[in-house]
Amino acid sequence: KAGVTQTPRYLIKTRGQQVTLSCSPISGHRSVSWYQQTPGQGLQFLFEYFSETQRNKGNFPGRFSGRQFSNSRSEMNVSTLELGDSALYLCASSALAGVFYEQYFGPGTRLTVT
Amino acid sequence: LAKTTQPISMDSYEGQEVNITCSHNNIATNDYITWYQQFPSQGPRFIIQGYKTKVTNEVASLFIPADRKSSTLSLPRVSLSDTAVYYCLVGDNSGYSTLTFGKGTMLLVSP
Repeated sequence: KAGVTQTPRYLIKTRGQQVTLSCSPISGHRSVSWYQQTPGQGLQFLFEYFSETQRNKGNFPGRFSGRQFSNSRSEMNVSTLELGDSALYLCASSALAGVFYEQYFGPGTRLTVT
Repeated sequence: LAKTTQPISMDSYEGQEVNITCSHNNIATNDYITWYQQFPSQGPRFIIQGYKTKVTNEVASLFIPADRKSSTLSLPRVSLSDTAVYYCLVGDNSGYSTLTFGKGTMLLVSP
């Protein structure tokens, strides 16, 4: 069974631009969660989607948004990029709704904002 | 949300058993205890989850005392490849829980 895939793996953007990251969950998984990891703040929860609905949201500004499609694939968008948005963005999928079910993480997208 | 406290780092040698303890004094009735492992530049990997007493799988054991205010992840006979950051998380599967990873415990296994 293929794992969680994320595209692109690496991305360089300029301040003020916007970016869209993609996540394809494990086949059959309907829950997708997104996380931001930085050396200073560690791994922080962004949001969870289940069956195309946002189920839970972390403490991030409205510039961070996401959506989930009917095939469970998910996208995350960051608008008006800031230097502090440079991070590893991870998505994770799970068969059930709820982040405390076993999460399978993808390899991440490394975003650099210059 | 229950806050967790775990050691910043631990050192061990190959072949030894490693026990990492996590404190979660204000754990709620519906909360589960979950441990993840993370290698550099990779996403975390689920290790084990429990609610009370003892849980064992092919990778680790999780010991939870009756008051559930702490838990201990036990890794038997560690190898160099077990060098990683280990995270203890507490919460439930309601729409109000988030996976808050904290700083984790950096385990360094030496030859």
